Amino acid sequence: ETGVTQTPRHLVMGMTNKKSLKCEQHLGHNAMYWYKQSAKKPLELMFVYSLEERVENNSVPSRFSPECPNSSHLFLHLHTLQPEDSALYLCASSQDHGSNSEQYFGPGTRLTVT
Amino acid sequence: QQPVQSPQAVILREGEDAVINCSSSKALYSVHWYRQKHGEAPVFLMILLKGGEQKGHDKISASFNEKKQQSSLYLTASQLSYSGTYFCGTETGTSYGKLTFGQGTILTVHP
Repeated sequence: ETGVTQTPRHLVMGMTNKKSLKCEQHLGHNAMYWYKQSAKKPLELMFVYSLEERVENNSVPSRFSPECPNSSHLFLHLHTLQPEDSALYLCASSQDHGSNSEQYFGPGTRLTVT
Repeated sequence: QQPVQSPQAVILREGEDAVINCSSSKALYSVHWYRQKHGEAPVFLMILLKGGEQKGHDKISASFNEKKQQSSLYLTASQLSYSGTYFCGTETGTSYGKLTFGQGTILTVHP
């Protein structure tokens, strides 16, 4: 596998379910990101991890809980979501967390909350 | 606050040129440009840093005007493969390493 992979690619969950999104990067990068992309809205940064430490939580509700067990893996744990949380969730990685680092995106997980 | 992109959409014929603008109400430290095709992940195009030079590769280039707090993406002699949504992501002096993206510009290139 190369680049940034995400699983599952599609997920349908009820409002009382608990599920997790997984992201893996095979690029040897030190920073990883979660973004939310809703229809007709800009990409929204949710969380940033640098060297496995969370460096940014962009006022995300607590029903979203990130986890970064090592520099290659990033999870987003979901519980008691709302229908408005339905969106494409994109993971990205970059060499470092800084201005001069391009971000490589995964294909995303299309989440539908029913 | 998110940057504002203009135009929202543009339709071209192959070989025509286009300019996409990205404006911010805050002083910018860097501007990142990405392209996303329908159903695919965003793909990095280029980064422009404060005090840096205009950048470009192939027929896509960009400029960064610090005084005007804006960046422009130039697509020359467009190809069908240029179709997609173009996003600028901006970083301000108080949001180091944190990109705020514009709403996107939909570019469609017809034969």
